[in-house]
Amino acid sequence: DQQVKQNSPSLSVQEGRISILNCDYTNSMFDYFLWYKKYPAEGPTFLISISSIKDKNEDGRFTVFLNKSAKHLSLHIVPSQPGDSAVYFCAARQKTSYDKVIFGPGTSLSVIP
Amino acid sequence: GAVVSQHPSWVICKSGTSVKIECRSLDFQATTMFWYRQFPKQSLMLMATSNEGSKATYEQGVEKDKFLINHASLTLSTLTVTSAHPEDSSFYICSARDALSNQPQHFGDGTRLSIL
Repeated sequence: DQQVKQNSPSLSVQEGRISILNCDYTNSMFDYFLWYKKYPAEGPTFLISISSIKDKNEDGRFTVFLNKSAKHLSLHIVPSQPGDSAVYFCAARQKTSYDKVIFGPGTSLSVIP
Repeated sequence: GAVVSQHPSWVICKSGTSVKIECRSLDFQATTMFWYRQFPKQSLMLMATSNEGSKATYEQGVEKDKFLINHASLTLSTLTVTSAHPEDSSFYICSARDALSNQPQHFGDGTRLSIL
């Protein structure tokens, strides 16, 4: 049973436009959400996060929106740049003593120059 | 910033051998480290949570005797794939949390394991 879902396996966006990556979750016990960026043959790199007590967090070109009632979050990248091309993983943390993080399947973003 | 080093980055070995992968936190102490596995074009699957000085906590479906985890110090966790077979070929990634901060996990660059 997949607790974190990213229903779009891939996304192509023109350079300069907005990229919107979506994520849905099923576990209401998640209290913290993260986005990671990953290049092939490398480990994920933390991008941005949001606590369940907020509905928006912004960091430069990256903004994450959280809709708790819908169990949905999204990552907005604007303007998109070719260097943003990577796989983006949505992740959620369970409130346990070990802070276990569950990852979604990822969305491959291609920003076309 | 925090760095997690994973070694080796790539290993090829014969079926039946055991392979050890190291995960080190270079500039912070990590009471908890995590081991993930990623199949091609799939997500990172959490295998186990490694706790310094105690037994690892394995996720459902992960064989404890197959994937031995040791977390002997606050900066080192090891994953040993015992009697490896071709189906164990995968990309293994570790991550670590700084015990003294509220920062998210930092990931190593992964180990590509190929069993012939």
